[in-house]
Amino acid sequence: GNSVTQMEGPVTLSEEAFLTINCTYTATGYPSLFWYVQYPGEGLQLLLKATKADDKGSNKGFEATYRKETTSFHLEKGSVQVSDSAVYFCALVPGGGADGLTFGKGTHLIIQP
Amino acid sequence: ETGVTQSPTHLIKTRGQQVTLRCSSQSGHNTVSWYQQALGQGPQFIFQYYREEENGRGNFPPRFSGLQFPNYSSELNVNALELDDSALYLCASSLVGRSYTGELFFGEGSRLTVL
Repeated sequence: GNSVTQMEGPVTLSEEAFLTINCTYTATGYPSLFWYVQYPGEGLQLLLKATKADDKGSNKGFEATYRKETTSFHLEKGSVQVSDSAVYFCALVPGGGADGLTFGKGTHLIIQP
Repeated sequence: ETGVTQSPTHLIKTRGQQVTLRCSSQSGHNTVSWYQQALGQGPQFIFQYYREEENGRGNFPPRFSGLQFPNYSSELNVNALELDDSALYLCASSLVGRSYTGELFFGEGSRLTVL
């Protein structure tokens, strides 16, 4: 079956630090990969996505590259801000979409000023 | 453009009861899906509706059922509630065309507590 494993949190960083949140996956076929973010008091929202190997998704200074050879989709940001504090979820969907998204457990990121 | 709205936001039920949760999709979206998020876990896919028919289902028993209406709003029904059904229930809508993109728009959820 499909599964997503992401690093446990909470992850606590100082403002302007470099961020990496690791995500690896197991899936049949060629899934699309996503990072969703949940800010305090808000619903989940799509941060970025990649649909095929070597694609790089990017948004709001965050980036992630679809690595088929290592089955990974690590989230990175060069300089985090306090406003980036949130819970980040890595997710995948197999081709077709009828199986829904498979999410990781989430990583709580805390940025201190 | 209105987003995805869910009701109620919080509710408490007792074991064995039945519950109905409601969702209004984002304007223009034709697909709705439901997810269960237990505390400290990621969302788990329950099922998905497209054109008023269920077209995908996760590993949930038949006592979890749903409906999608012609205006693309949706209901999630859970019968014979169990303690483990306590969770945040998320509704998500999307526009599915020739291909599935996985870009979902989530509501803030309905938090169900089963005593």
